[in-house]
Amino acid sequence: RKEVEQDPGPFNVPEGATVAFNCTYSNSASQSFFWYRQDCRKEPKLLMSVYSSGNEDGRFTAQLNRASQYISLLIRDSKLSDSATYLCVVNLFSGGYNKLIFGAGTRLAVHP
Amino acid sequence: ETGVTQSPTHLIKTRGQQVTLRCSSQSGHNTVSWYQQALGQGPQFIFQYYREEENGRGNFPPRFSGLQFPNYSSELNVNALELDDSALYLCASSLWKGIGSGANVLTFGAGSRLTVL
Repeated sequence: RKEVEQDPGPFNVPEGATVAFNCTYSNSASQSFFWYRQDCRKEPKLLMSVYSSGNEDGRFTAQLNRASQYISLLIRDSKLSDSATYLCVVNLFSGGYNKLIFGAGTRLAVHP
Repeated sequence: ETGVTQSPTHLIKTRGQQVTLRCSSQSGHNTVSWYQQALGQGPQFIFQYYREEENGRGNFPPRFSGLQFPNYSSELNVNALELDDSALYLCASSLWKGIGSGANVLTFGAGSRLTVL
């Protein structure tokens, strides 16, 4: 079983749609959680951190359910510029260092 | 504030050869991590350097090795290249503030795309 699992997509949605991505992680000792965005042939960039209380950044809402080991990302009012791969990431502190574990990513394509 | 820079951006090698990839950390950062990203996959953790020593390693064989220099720049060396080593190699720097400070926020470089023929 992969440490971080995501639906690979692609999700093809029209502009203005709401889209939700899900992610599960296997290690209950994981301590912090993130969503990164990666554009085609570019490096990953931090989109937002994910907290148990849920957090929102404009059109983006992230949720964490520690009991279910489940993370989600909701994008409202999709824009063409949201087209990218969204990487679910968990941080595990073990052996004296932080290790980020990435999912394989979910690809989003927003069309006019 | 300069970001993370990597070189070369692209390179082609043949099986059995050796390669060295270079990374300059973001100013003020003290930790460097290297990741391998195969096509269609997420980045996989190779190893991490702090204060010029490897302090964490993923599931990669010993032919993957690295260095961190006093100026926090870093190298990734891969010996005896195999076809499966073809990937995007990402360097990420961060500021480690000590145990209990939480996860490092990584700043990635644009990567070095390696093709092994």
